[in-house]
Amino acid sequence: ETGVTQSPTHLIKTRGQQVTLRCSSQSGHNTVSWYQQALGQGPQFIFQYYREEENGRGNFPPRFSGLQFPNYSSELNVNALELDDSALYLCASRTRGAHGYTFGSGTRLTVV
Amino acid sequence: AQTVTQSQPEMSVQEAETVTLSCTYDTSESNYYLFWYKQPPSRQMILVIRQEAYKQQNATENRFSVNFQKAAKSFSLKISDSQLGDTAMYFCAFMNRDDKIIFGKGTRLHILP
Repeated sequence: ETGVTQSPTHLIKTRGQQVTLRCSSQSGHNTVSWYQQALGQGPQFIFQYYREEENGRGNFPPRFSGLQFPNYSSELNVNALELDDSALYLCASRTRGAHGYTFGSGTRLTVV
Repeated sequence: AQTVTQSQPEMSVQEAETVTLSCTYDTSESNYYLFWYKQPPSRQMILVIRQEAYKQQNATENRFSVNFQKAAKSFSLKISDSQLGDTAMYFCAFMNRDDKIIFGKGTRLHILP
């Protein structure tokens, strides 16, 4: 198993900028979810992709968007960054129907 | 709304002792999955134990076991013979029929030497 890898590990951006975070899913996993974890909080669901289509979204504005590619890697894009977007962003993948996700180590985003 | 509540923000126990972390949840679904995840300083969310709601038998994984009370919507984690490496944030989580995981706010566990 290759696990779930995320890049970059840390990132600093200025308010108003755009950012792209990347995730390489575990081999054979066709479902990917993204979570936002603010400091001292539990992760919050952003959205989920299955076979390149979004099939679930949490309570996040449209400036949070994503893509899933044919090789099941994925991206999280955030436009017009706000200070409150500072958080750890976690990617998680699984095979559809499996009873749990494998998580990556996250990308720490700081917006200044 | 589906929610997960962890009422203990922080706990400390001596090495080799037993500790129990509490969790309650709220859902109208009858079939779902419950998890305990461990998040060490490395940040990666590591699955500790999983419970399927339709199974009455409590799950166990080596030193980790759960007390699942479906009617009370309670799902506590017991760590036996605690070790220094168990120091981490522990999150109780619920996976609904849409495969979305809902996390509690976590319990920070310190194992003291």
